[in-house]
Amino acid sequence: DQQVKQNSPSLSVQEGRISILNCDYTNSMFDYFLWYKKYPAEGPTFLISISSIKDKNEDGRFTVFLNKSAKHLSLHIVPSQPGDSAVFFCAAIPSGTASKLTFGTGTRLQVTL
Amino acid sequence: DTAVSQTPKYLVTQMGNDKSIKCEQNLGHDTMYWYKQDSKKFLKIMFSYNNKELIINETVPNRFSPKSPDKAHLNLHINSLELGDSAVYFCASRYGQDEAFFGQGTRLTVV
Repeated sequence: DQQVKQNSPSLSVQEGRISILNCDYTNSMFDYFLWYKKYPAEGPTFLISISSIKDKNEDGRFTVFLNKSAKHLSLHIVPSQPGDSAVFFCAAIPSGTASKLTFGTGTRLQVTL
Repeated sequence: DTAVSQTPKYLVTQMGNDKSIKCEQNLGHDTMYWYKQDSKKFLKIMFSYNNKELIINETVPNRFSPKSPDKAHLNLHINSLELGDSAVYFCASRYGQDEAFFGQGTRLTVV
């Protein structure tokens, strides 16, 4: 039962263009969402987060959008850079629980020159 | 100055052996986790400890036993290793509702 899904296992984008990574969830109790980036042979590193009381959060080149009614969030990277090539995971945390992070299945982003 | 460190980074062992993976965090966080990344690259939570107390215990074989001697450490002991235990195991820590910080992972290969 995968409560957090990333339906695109991979994405290829040209340098300088926008990368859009999508994430869908099924559990309406999720109220905090995070994006992590993972390079090979390293642990996931935190990128950006958003609370369910917001619909947008921006940090430099990274913006996360949340559509609660659709149970959908997306990560926009503008402009994309070759160093962004990695696997991106979205994660969700339900309210009122002991802080369990549930991860999506990951999307491998490749930024080409 | 590593925030969340795991040892060893690589572990190759034979079926039936018992092994431990150690995790330490120097961030002063009160919650620590073990996650497993399987061959399909899914990151699945195994255990979570808050202030040395077990708070999350997912459906994991009881051959896996976490131990938290103090808030800064969460070790994972695995008995009678099986081929299917081969995976990358990640330790993570977190403070309150902040983001979790992950270690570099331990790649376990059971042969």
